[in-house]
Order: sequence, then C-alpha cells, then structure tokens
Amino acid sequence: NAGVTQTPKFQVLKTGQSMTLQCAQDMNHEYMSWYRQDPGMGLRLIHYSVGAGITDQGEVPNGYNVSRSTTEDFPLRLLSAAPSQTSVYFCASSYSGGGTTDTQYFGPGTRLTVL
Amino acid sequence: AQTVTQSQPEMSVQEAETVTLSCTYDTSESNYYLFWYKQPPSRQMILVIRQEAYKQQNATENRFSVNFQKAAKSFSLKISDSQLGDTAMYFCAFMWLRGTSGSRLTFGEGTQLTVNP
Repeated sequence: NAGVTQTPKFQVLKTGQSMTLQCAQDMNHEYMSWYRQDPGMGLRLIHYSVGAGITDQGEVPNGYNVSRSTTEDFPLRLLSAAPSQTSVYFCASSYSGGGTTDTQYFGPGTRLTVL
Repeated sequence: AQTVTQSQPEMSVQEAETVTLSCTYDTSESNYYLFWYKQPPSRQMILVIRQEAYKQQNATENRFSVNFQKAAKSFSLKISDSQLGDTAMYFCAFMWLRGTSGSRLTFGEGTQLTVNP
C-alpha cells in the first residue's frame, strides 16, 4: 500500500491563479479530508468527505472547492489563489466516520506559496 | 465547539530522560477520541498514540504513554527514555464521533520538542 499520496510536493502560484492539489489513497477509506497548517496555529480542517459524492465544509472552506467522484481521490481546488492561502496542505483519510478504526492517516503534505 | 490547547510552545529534554507534554481540551461531548501526532522535519504527520474517552485505562505504546484525566479534560503525553529521533513537533488532537456524518480532528497549536545529546 502506498497509503495517502499528495501531489505536488511544492508549488508556487501568482495571485489570481487557480490550481488543484491532488490526494489519493489506496486503503479503501471512506473518509477523506483536507487540512491546512499555518505557523503557530496547528492544522485546520478545510473540507471533508464521508464517501464518494458527499462533501462538507470544515473550519476554513472559503476559497477552496472539493469534489469526490471516486473513493480513492479527493482533489482540492484553489479557485483564485491569494497570499493568505500560502500554507502547507495535508490530506488525510480514515476507514469511516466513527468507531474504533477511525485513526486518520496523513499524506506527506504540499507546500504552497502564493506570491 | 471543541478546542484544544497546548500551553508549551517549546520544550527540550536530554537524551534518555523523561519528558511530559501537556494538553487540555474543552468539549461538552462524552464520546470522543484523543490523539497525539508527531511531525518531524519531514513534515509527515505520524500517529503516536490514541485514547478512547470511554476507557479509564491510560494508553501506552512502547516509550509513549498518556495521562488521561477526563474530568479535568487533560491529556498529557509522557515520553520515556527520550531519543534523538523524538525531536519533532507534537500535536494533541481531539476527535468527536459524529456517526455517519463523519469525524473531524481539532488540533492544538503544537509543542516543539528537542532532544539534546
């Protein structure tokens, strides 16, 4: 198993550009989520999905879109990049939304800089 | 809303000694999980230990153990026989079980632990 994979590892954007951060998992997990990590603030939830076709907002959803067409993939789209979106982005997955198997596994992260 | 507080931004310990990282949380829920994650310089988030709120027994994983005080809403991490490879940022996290609506992790601000030789 590759676990949770994210691409790219690094990205530099100009203000106003759009892009998609990719996330994939091969563990047949139903639950996937995106977090952003800013200095001194821990990780904050952007969007999450409890299964294919179902997504919902987290704490900081503005400026981001997600979709979940397959169980394996959960891309995060930046619609019009802003410097405030400079951050490290983590994708995570877990088996389900509840129960004893609910440990979340994280990808390696994407470092995004918006100029 | 759930909140998680780590009051120690930085800590250091000598190799082979014991260190305790503090975490408090606030919630009105009774059914939840607590976690400690480790983030080394590679930035990978690595699960260290987890605790189910309904269990009175404190979780242990080799050199890592927790002191879970449910009434005080406290969840500290003890690292015994510290090793250089334990140098990392440590995050305390809370997860409320929301059934089929999904579970969400709330993280503390992190504690940077440095193990000195």
